[in-house]
Amino acid sequence: EAGVVQSPRYKIIEKKQPVAFWCNPISGHNTLYWYLQNLGQGPELLIRYENEEAVDDSQLPKDRFSAERLKGVDSTLKIQPAELGDSAVYLCASSKGTSGSPEQETQYFGPGTRLLVL
Amino acid sequence: QQQVKQSPQSLIVQKGGISIINCAYENTAFDYFPWYQQFPGKGPALLIAIRPDVSEKKEGRFTISFNKSAKQFSLHIMDSQPGDSATYFCAALILNDYKLSFGAGTTVTVRA
Repeated sequence: EAGVVQSPRYKIIEKKQPVAFWCNPISGHNTLYWYLQNLGQGPELLIRYENEEAVDDSQLPKDRFSAERLKGVDSTLKIQPAELGDSAVYLCASSKGTSGSPEQETQYFGPGTRLLVL
Repeated sequence: QQQVKQSPQSLIVQKGGISIINCAYENTAFDYFPWYQQFPGKGPALLIAIRPDVSEKKEGRFTISFNKSAKQFSLHIMDSQPGDSATYFCAALILNDYKLSFGAGTTVTVRA
């Protein structure tokens, strides 16, 4: 079974430029998460999707960040314009669903996209 | 405010030794506690997990000990190997609430 796929793996951009990250979750996983991981810290949730619906985007800085999951499968996270402080690893994760069982809610992470803003 | 406190920040152990990582939480609503292992340049990978109604869970060389009354849990890596060198994150989840709270991570270095 293929894992969570993310691209690109690395991205270097100038500040004020736009950038987009793509994620394809594990097949059959309805729930998709985007996390931000700063160096030396644990991941922090940005947004969570149940199928195509963003059910929690409370931690997403909406002035510059946006996300979509149009067909309820793959997803794109965008930053426009990027700032120096956005340099971090952007992780995508997926889980089967949120039925209240560990099997359904265990999250599986992709390799991440490492963003450097100059 | 971090809901899960993890220590130590880093540790060095000799090959064959035991690595111990400790975590503590305050929210008694947490009901699922996974540990993730992360290698440099990779995403976190689920290592082992436990429910609070179980005091210990063992998978190979990895053991979780859980103390519900103290609201503490720990990961023990027995017979540590150089390939275990990675960053380990404890986490806590309220089932049906989906929000996974991570500790700050422990970088384990196993010296050959």
